[in-house]
Amino acid sequence: GQSLEQPSEVTAVEGAIVQINCTYQTSGFYGLSWYQQHDGGAPTFLSYNGLDGLEETGRFSSFLSRSDSYGYLLLQELQMKDSASYFCAVRDLGYKLSFGAGTTVTVRA
Amino acid sequence: DTAVSQTPKYLVTQMGNDKSIKCEQNLGHDTMYWYKQDSKKFLKIMFSYNNKELIINETVPNRFSPKSPDKAHLNLHINSLELGDSAVYFCASSQDGGSGEPQHFGDGTRLSIL
Repeated sequence: GQSLEQPSEVTAVEGAIVQINCTYQTSGFYGLSWYQQHDGGAPTFLSYNGLDGLEETGRFSSFLSRSDSYGYLLLQELQMKDSASYFCAVRDLGYKLSFGAGTTVTVRA
Repeated sequence: DTAVSQTPKYLVTQMGNDKSIKCEQNLGHDTMYWYKQDSKKFLKIMFSYNNKELIINETVPNRFSPKSPDKAHLNLHINSLELGDSAVYFCASSQDGGSGEPQHFGDGTRLSIL
């Protein structure tokens, strides 16, 4: 089976940098994804790491270390609109995407 | 145009009833999914279809039955609704279910059982 661990909550001020860590245990590994979900909204895809290293998309970056079964999502220049839940997710041998419990990010003025 | 649309958005019903949720995607994707998100925001896969073929069938009570009439539609029928079924149900789609393929989610159906 799969298990993913990520912090439940993070609070930061506007303009700050936040790093959300995700550690995983899985029987097969085919990549780590990150999704954002605003309250009352749908999860939306942010990034994917299939290989080790850093992927950058605007203010958001995602990192993966397969040897450590670890990844993180880095949110830079935080804005109020970044207040949301962030989920890491791993894909196993099949089509299944298993999600972590989510990290609620609260951005304060 | 909405990429993944599901109806209804809200569903309030009594225990023991049978209800259906419909989902349609206009992205031309081959794979569709149903997820359940509980009150603690835990998002769990229930079913997945690839080109109308069931490929993921998680440990879900057999009161839940998905149906895919074509690859653009995936409906979810729930029999004998129970209090524990109260949750948000999300439909999603992806191009082919591959590793890096992003999943596109609908806006969710908020199911409340009285």
